[in-house]
Amino acid sequence: DAKTTQPPSMDCAEGRAANLPCNHSTISGNEYVYWYRQIHSQGPQYIIHGLKNNETNEMASLIITEDRKSSTLILPHATLRDTAVYYCIVYYGQNFVFGPGTRLSVLP
Amino acid sequence: IAGITQAPTSQILAAGRRMTLRCTQDMRHNAMYWYRQDLGLGLRLIHYSNTAGTTGKGEVPDGYSVSRANTDDFPLTLASAVPSQTSVYFCASSDLRTGELFFGEGSRLTVL
Repeated sequence: DAKTTQPPSMDCAEGRAANLPCNHSTISGNEYVYWYRQIHSQGPQYIIHGLKNNETNEMASLIITEDRKSSTLILPHATLRDTAVYYCIVYYGQNFVFGPGTRLSVLP
Repeated sequence: IAGITQAPTSQILAAGRRMTLRCTQDMRHNAMYWYRQDLGLGLRLIHYSNTAGTTGKGEVPDGYSVSRANTDDFPLTLASAVPSQTSVYFCASSDLRTGELFFGEGSRLTVL
C-alpha cells in the first residue's frame, strides 16, 4: 500500500501558485519524499525530492514539515501545461509505490 | 538521448496468446521496473530488478514473468494473456544512488 495520502483533485487558476499537499505520517527517518507527475497518458515525470530540508529546482519547491509527517509541492506560477496527476511517494527500500495521486486542473 | 524505449507502443492480442513487451534503457541504470496502469487504480508494480541477473515480485506479479540477462534490457512476458491484463504498461529505470525514476512512454495492450 502507498504510504501517502493526497486529495483526489484540485483546481488552480493559471498564473497562480498551486499548492499540493501530501500526508505521510508513517514516514521513517531515512525515507525520502518524491514527487512525480503524469501528463495525460505519458510516462510519469520526476519533479523533485527531499529528506527533511526544503528543496527548490526549476520546476517546483518542496516544503517538508519539521516532523516530516507532511509535505507540500508548490508550483509557483501554474500554467495550463501543468495540468496533470501529481504523485507523492515515500521512497523506501528500492521500490516506488504510487498511490492514486492528485489530479490538478489549471484553469484559464 | 533515448532514455527508456518500450515496444510495441500498442498491441491487440487474443486471449491465450503469449506476448513479450520489450524495454531497453541506455542510461546504465542498475534498477528497472514494470508497472501497469489501469483507470482508477493508478500505477501498480508488477516486477522489478535491482541489478542484472536478479528479479523480484511487485504488487501484482501473477500472470507475468521477467528476465534481466543484462543491464539494458528488461522484457515482460505474458505467458497466456487474459482480458484482465488489458492495461497500459510502463517500464522504468532508476539509478539507486539518486532514486530518480525514468519512465518509458508506455505500451497499450488490449487482450480480447
